[in-house]
Amino acid sequence: DAEITQSPRHKITETGRQVTLACHQTWNHNNMFWYRQDLGHGLRLIHYSYGVQDTNKGEVSDGYSVSRSNTEDLPLTLESAASSQTSVYFCASSLTGQETQYFGPGTRLLVL
Amino acid sequence: EDQVTQSPEALRLQEGESSSLNCSYTVSGLRGLFWYRQDPGKGPEFLFTLYSAGEEKEKERLKATLTKKESFLHITAPKPEDSATYLCAVQGSRETSGSRLTFGEGTQLTVNP
Repeated sequence: DAEITQSPRHKITETGRQVTLACHQTWNHNNMFWYRQDLGHGLRLIHYSYGVQDTNKGEVSDGYSVSRSNTEDLPLTLESAASSQTSVYFCASSLTGQETQYFGPGTRLLVL
Repeated sequence: EDQVTQSPEALRLQEGESSSLNCSYTVSGLRGLFWYRQDPGKGPEFLFTLYSAGEEKEKERLKATLTKKESFLHITAPKPEDSATYLCAVQGSRETSGSRLTFGEGTQLTVNP
């Protein structure tokens, strides 16, 4: 069955370290999205991509970057982790024209 | 800017006690309104998409409705397994939103046996 996976599921890191969260989907969806979810803020869009080599900033993109070298993967990199980036991160994908986004299981990140 | 407000923030029901969750929105050129269910420690799970005012969709004990300003998620005779956070999201016009969704903060539903 087609699916969307995220790894790791849990991560503890230290302030200042570079961290990369992986997202992989097998639906052949052209659109991929990264969100963070925090109490009191709901799901907020970090970065998104509409296809290979395309990346765009969302509403909370500072301190994060993404790259899209193939259809299946959109890794999210925290350049220098900060305590404010402690959160739960969700990856999602969709197909242009159908627009329903399907979510991965999430990565819980703790920055100490 | 698209905005979504969900109410109430939290709702406690007894098993069998029907109720409704509200999603109010402002959007330029609504292309779709989406409902998701999220269980603790998991990613949001898609429930429904509504595209135009007057549209209704049903799944088991859930029915979603849409007007020009809001959507309701009606829960009929809920069971404890319906306990979850329900998220609402909107997609505006292709020119302003592309394929992005704007989410509300969700309603946390607890159904007691």
